[in-house]
Amino acid sequence: DTEVTQTPKHLVMGMTNKKSLKCEQHMGHRAMYWYKQKAKKPPELMFVYSYEKLSINESVPSRFSPECPNSSLLNLHLHALQPEDSALYLCASSNGNEQFFGPGTRLTVL
Amino acid sequence: RKEVEQDPGPFNVPEGATVAFNCTYSNSASQSFFWYRQDCRKEPKLLMSVYSSGNEDGRFTAQLNRASQYISLLIRDSKLSDSATYLCVALRGYMEYGNKLVFGAGTILRVKS
Repeated sequence: DTEVTQTPKHLVMGMTNKKSLKCEQHMGHRAMYWYKQKAKKPPELMFVYSYEKLSINESVPSRFSPECPNSSLLNLHLHALQPEDSALYLCASSNGNEQFFGPGTRLTVL
Repeated sequence: RKEVEQDPGPFNVPEGATVAFNCTYSNSASQSFFWYRQDCRKEPKLLMSVYSSGNEDGRFTAQLNRASQYISLLIRDSKLSDSATYLCVALRGYMEYGNKLVFGAGTILRVKS
């Protein structure tokens, strides 16, 4: 089973709102990732967690705050976003070279 | 120059055709390579890993040429359902249980009846 789940599927938020994206995998993978994807562009890496510790932050603005409560869960907390942050947010997990993506959360910031 | 480069297409082919995509990478330290497919408004799905010896999975064949820093994907007997964007991906850095992938911009394939 190579399933990564994400909630919600769609999210609309104002610039003053606080919201969270959630990701879960039950494949026993020890690395989890957040990506941002704009239309007609490839995914861009935001964060990498390895063994529940943040190992890579690709200079992401602090209005995005990741959290890894346990080895199966990954959250992305959103606060004071800008309209240009509207995108598809993808979670992925891996236990080696191959990464598997969740279906994504389509975020619209008004 | 982008680290992973692909022809964006679109490639418009009839059903049953054979189509080949090429990809080049500039970082000779890249260790592993993959092809992902992405349907419109969906997540990327791993199609296949690419090995130096070449590998085949049904109608799909992937090849890696490290000397030329070149990766290819061949699709035989194209189906309508093969229509998607194909992403060429290089593994840039490897950590224990974590890695950094570098994505090409993607090649659009449209298979028509």
